Amino acid sequence: EVQLVESGGGLVQPGGSLRLSCAASGFTFSGYSLNWVRQAPGKGLEYLSYINRETDNIRYADSVRGRFTISRDNAKNSLFLQMNSLRAEDTAMYYCVRDHNWGFDIWGRGTMVTVSS
Amino acid sequence: QSALTQPASVSASPGQSITISCSGTSSDIGGYNHVSWYQHHPGKVPKLMIYEVTNRPSGVSNRFSGSKSGNTASMTISGLQPEDEADYYCLSYTSRDSFWVFGGGTKLTVL
Repeated sequence: EVQLVESGGGLVQPGGSLRLSCAASGFTFSGYSLNWVRQAPGKGLEYLSYINRETDNIRYADSVRGRFTISRDNAKNSLFLQMNSLRAEDTAMYYCVRDHNWGFDIWGRGTMVTVSS
Repeated sequence: QSALTQPASVSASPGQSITISCSGTSSDIGGYNHVSWYQHHPGKVPKLMIYEVTNRPSGVSNRFSGSKSGNTASMTISGLQPEDEADYYCLSYTSRDSFWVFGGGTKLTVL
């Protein structure tokens, strides 16, 4: 079964850090670009970050650029999101998403991040 | 980056058709055919409904269709069914730094 499974979410204080992971299975991980998307409580989907197959094209939304870092390990079929300097407004469900034919075809179930003191 | 503009809500009765618009600029929707649409039932995972403006993934009902004119993309749902009630989001490639940008989302109510 093709799937993405996120982990690493939790409660963190403002200014703190978290590292999200996304484990892929059921497909050739190295053959796809990947993304992180989040949804804050009661809000819409927000695009966060992109990484291509070769990791030589990486992009960020303005809201997280300079604080978040996307990376991947093709040997371990894993995607990561290092989140630093977290703010209350970063509280959200974070999704790992596969990019195929210019559509986001596979989504993980998400991992919840809560930033609060 | 500013989100693409979608109506906040639309509603219709079962059996009717609705169209959800998604307005952008020449840097995103108007400049590329990389527009996709997602259905999101609360508490569930978003589902790809349309990609590359008009294409339906395998398994998606042909009641869902997509189009684009200028800087605005649209998705039409015909023969509305109660299970179509959900939030819908458009997504476009953008030449700006982020690479991708979502619409603000549209809540569809099937009366």
